[in-house]
Amino acid sequence: KAGVTQTPRYLIKTRGQQVTLSCSPISGHRSVSWYQQTPGQGLQFLFEYFSETQRNKGNFPGRFSGRQFSNSRSEMNVSTLELGDSALYLCASSLGSTGRETQYFGPGTRLLVL
Amino acid sequence: AQTVTQSQPEMSVQEAETVTLSCTYDTSESDYYLFWYKQPPSRQMILVIRQEAYKQQNATENRFSVNFQKAAKSFSLKISDSQLGDAAMYFCAYRSAIAGSRLTFGEGTQLTVNP
Repeated sequence: KAGVTQTPRYLIKTRGQQVTLSCSPISGHRSVSWYQQTPGQGLQFLFEYFSETQRNKGNFPGRFSGRQFSNSRSEMNVSTLELGDSALYLCASSLGSTGRETQYFGPGTRLLVL
Repeated sequence: AQTVTQSQPEMSVQEAETVTLSCTYDTSESDYYLFWYKQPPSRQMILVIRQEAYKQQNATENRFSVNFQKAAKSFSLKISDSQLGDAAMYFCAYRSAIAGSRLTFGEGTQLTVNP
């Protein structure tokens, strides 16, 4: 099976712009979670989607949003970019949304905000 | 809220030797899962091993094993016969059994393997 894929892999934006990142889960996986990784804050949970519904949300401002499509692919959007949004954004997929499921991560999208 | 702490920012080991990475966590839940993930320079997060809290037996995966002490809320990772390819950042992570897929990560331990 193909692993989790994320596009684009690298992105450069300027402050005030918006950005959309995409994540395609492993075939058959219905849960997609997003994480932000920065040197200062480490790995932080953004949100989780399961069957097109947001199941969990981390402590991030409303500028961060996401959605999931019927084929389980997910997108996250960041509006009005700030310098502090520069980070590696990781997506993870799992079969279901229970704690028992193992999550598999994609290679990440590295976002640089100038 | 759950917290995960890795008190060793950096560790080093000689090739073929054994190294133990430490992790402690805090939770009021009784049913949960613990994980060790490895992140090499490629930044791809790779699952190393997982432990179910309800299992007393420590998990093992080839050269990787854990020492799970539930009462002490400790979850250490032992890497035996260390190889150069084991060099990476290692993250300890917690997930509740009832709160979806959300992972809470520790700060990470950078492991260097010396030839």
